[in-house]
Amino acid sequence: DAGITQSPRHKVTETGTPVTLRCHQTENHRYMYWYRQDPGHGLRLIHYSYGVKDTDKGEVSDGYSVSRSKTEDFLLTLESATSSQTSVYFCAIRDPGADTEAFFGQGTRLTVV
Amino acid sequence: RKEVEQDPGPFNVPEGATVAFNCTYSNSASQSFFWYRQDCRKEPKLLMSVYSSGNEDGRFTAQLNRASQYISLLIRDSKLSDSATYLCVVNPPVNRDDKIIFGKGTRLHILP
Repeated sequence: DAGITQSPRHKVTETGTPVTLRCHQTENHRYMYWYRQDPGHGLRLIHYSYGVKDTDKGEVSDGYSVSRSKTEDFLLTLESATSSQTSVYFCAIRDPGADTEAFFGQGTRLTVV
Repeated sequence: RKEVEQDPGPFNVPEGATVAFNCTYSNSASQSFFWYRQDCRKEPKLLMSVYSSGNEDGRFTAQLNRASQYISLLIRDSKLSDSATYLCVVNPPVNRDDKIIFGKGTRLHILP
């Protein structure tokens, strides 16, 4: 299995609090992604990174920020958690190239109460 | 037209049967295609790549039709363990290879 870990794996937090999720890789892959997955919506891209300090927004970026200060770590922050951000969050990594596959972390189940 | 479209299912199929599902994509310049499998409450994992000439891996066959812009997955002699959601994945053209596009998935239930 690819060396990608997410932490925490489960979290319950209160509305209005900031939350940071961590994605750590040992594969030295250049691209890293954060997705959320909700019933009926599939995987939706929140933010992604194409290198250290290089990030871009995905389709559902409102309310989220990211940082990538080193190759191996990609942090996702919910600035002020809302109940609509209750979801399962997946991190993925991938090397550049049109034919490269993505590898996923095991996911973080976040509940905002 | 959505970038990648899949029939959400569910496909309820008796054990031992053959099942096939398709995925259509909108960008004719797309380069590479994959099928991923996702079990309930787990992360997606690569099932197989899809090559232009079609490819087979055991009971699984993947095909690409560039003219009609779809890929397909065929599962023969289905097993109970094949029950999962199957995601179609399209990698973008070479000049924008940072973003990958996922379909919403097709749910497959193999019935005993």
